[in-house]
Amino acid sequence: SYVLTQPPSVSVAPGQTARITCGGNNIGSKSVHWYQQKPGQAPVLVVYDDSDRPSGIPERFSGSNSGNTATLTISRVEAGDEADYYCQVWDSSSDHHVVFGGGTKLTVL
Amino acid sequence: QITLKESGPTLVKPTQTLTLTCTFSGFSLSTSGVGVGWIRQPPGKALEWLALIYWDDDKRYSPSLKSRLTITKDTSKNQVVLTMTNMDPVDTATYYCAHTSFMITFKPFDYWGQGTLVTVSS
Repeated sequence: SYVLTQPPSVSVAPGQTARITCGGNNIGSKSVHWYQQKPGQAPVLVVYDDSDRPSGIPERFSGSNSGNTATLTISRVEAGDEADYYCQVWDSSSDHHVVFGGGTKLTVL
Repeated sequence: QITLKESGPTLVKPTQTLTLTCTFSGFSLSTSGVGVGWIRQPPGKALEWLALIYWDDDKRYSPSLKSRLTITKDTSKNQVVLTMTNMDPVDTATYYCAHTSFMITFKPFDYWGQGTLVTVSS
């Protein structure tokens, strides 16, 4: 089955840029979606189809995807961005199953 | 607007069968392309996808849990039901349902319920 690998944690100072990676075999050929989850809350979609933003998500959130790595970039990080972030793809090699990454805890220093 | 809400028991005993209901509004599961999925999250752990059902009754299951899961829909009630057999303490988790769709490509889970915590303990 398809595996998505995320770093357990990323730390960044306020105002700086955070980059959260999601690794997978030839992930560049898939559409990657990113979710933000704050403690005690349901996940929220922040980026879909590699780099599109849902309505209401700040432009500070952006995404890219190439080769074996997809990246969620958060510019001008704010304290309110501290959360867990998950990447997700559809694994077309196995009858289109959903796959989530293991999640990355973003800490704002 | 689209809303989803999970309901079911908060406590189940080992070996019992869990039945969860997702009641939604703002969309119809009879509309082409629409789907509803179930995702769970053990305390302090990552999201895990469980199952998905589409408007045309196409059903997908997590390969690792397929033998224990059944997903069904009741379009007239705007509900999706997930059953999981032979519950074990490791199945303790918050269970979420979420809206998705298929339009040429598979879309993300764009609307989520608040989740319901299910504890498995004797």
